[in-house]
Amino acid sequence: GAVVSQHPSRVICKSGTSVKIECRSLDFQATTMFWYRQFPKQSLMLMATSNEGSKATYEQGVEKDKFLINHASLTLSTLTVTSAHPEDSSFYICSARAVGLAHSYNEQFFGPGTRLTVL
Amino acid sequence: GENVEQHPSTLSVQEGDSAVIKCTYSDSASNYFPWYKQELGKRPQLIIDIRSNVGEKKDQRIAVTLNKTAKHFSLHITETQPEDSAVYFCAATLINQAGTALIFGKGTTLSVSS
Repeated sequence: GAVVSQHPSRVICKSGTSVKIECRSLDFQATTMFWYRQFPKQSLMLMATSNEGSKATYEQGVEKDKFLINHASLTLSTLTVTSAHPEDSSFYICSARAVGLAHSYNEQFFGPGTRLTVL
Repeated sequence: GENVEQHPSTLSVQEGDSAVIKCTYSDSASNYFPWYKQELGKRPQLIIDIRSNVGEKKDQRIAVTLNKTAKHFSLHITETQPEDSAVYFCAATLINQAGTALIFGKGTTLSVSS
């Protein structure tokens, strides 16, 4: 149990276009989802915390108008990178915190990540 | 906000030796400290975690210790094997407006040579 999927796994786009990444909890409900960005050989940097039915909370330095987050249901959060530029190329990973799972205590379950390359 | 420092950044050991990775955190309100193993291009995998009301936890060859007073926690891997080679991240909880997030250390690249 506690499986998180992401789609797409890889995307290549032209500069100036927008890209949507989906994060789904497959076998549990997630009231809270998190979006991270990871540059090569670096750590996971928290971008935003997404709560179902409310606006996302963005970390300092993350542009909310550029990285649009929608968490419309208990199993789906989306991250849209608007007007993408080469510097947005990165590995984007989502995670979800489960509701009601007996073994979880602030434990986050990670998606497989999305490799974004902006040309 | 929470700040997590992790050392060393790289660690090379011989197969069978022990490996220790140390982390410190800044927010005394943090109450959950997981450790993740990440292989290249893959998602982080939880290998062990500890809550703030526990000082030590062990799972086979892996153990974690927590010193709340000093705000540091450590990962101990005994009898290392080549398949333990990966990047390891520590993390600590951050209490923000939206709830509880995780802040990660910068990672330790562990290389186990046979």
